[in-house]
Amino acid sequence: QVHLVESGGGVVQPGRSLTLSCAVSGINFSGFGFHWVRQAPGKGPESLASISNDGKVDSYADSVKGRFTISRDNSNNTLYLQMNSLRPEDTAIYYCARPTSFQIVPFGYWGQGTLVTVSS
Amino acid sequence: DTQMTQSPSSLSASVGDRVTITCRTSQGIRNDLAWYQQKPGKVPKLLIYSASTLQSGVPSRFSGSGSGTDFTLSISSLQPEDVATYYCQKYNSLPWTFGQGTKVEIK
Repeated sequence: QVHLVESGGGVVQPGRSLTLSCAVSGINFSGFGFHWVRQAPGKGPESLASISNDGKVDSYADSVKGRFTISRDNSNNTLYLQMNSLRPEDTAIYYCARPTSFQIVPFGYWGQGTLVTVSS
Repeated sequence: DTQMTQSPSSLSASVGDRVTITCRTSQGIRNDLAWYQQKPGKVPKLLIYSASTLQSGVPSRFSGSGSGTDFTLSISSLQPEDVATYYCQKYNSLPWTFGQGTKVEIK
């Protein structure tokens, strides 16, 4: 059974840090690049960060570049997102996502999401 | 970064109507475009990839077309279960940007 389970969300003050995790089971983890996507209340999805299957190449949206860091542990099938200098506009549900297959690149696998609220 | 412009932002149509949603990109992306359907409280579901290829299990009333900078998602005969928000996404290069969404309702 396929499981992508995010954790680590919560309420945090502006300027503080938070680390999200995504534990993956039931699907190929180490063979694929993975992504973090967030969705603010009432807004569309925003693709934030991606990391190659071997962890050597990453990419970030301008909105989080320099503040967020994506990483992975292929020995434990876990994806991470380190979030620093959090702002109120970072409030959203954060999802990890994986391409559908090697042939079908768009996201076919999503976690259930973890809510991050940045508020004083 | 490539900008995505999706229109309309919302629409209301009758059951059985043909519905068309447009997505325009600021730079050419070949056919590296996907369409997702999102219902309230759910994650986005992949409908179409490579601009026009229907994902397995998606009803044939959904179709996609376009290449380069202009793309279209059509629903040939709107059904009550199609009420949702639809997003386009480009994936030719990182970041894989989404459009702003089109909310589809039944009149």
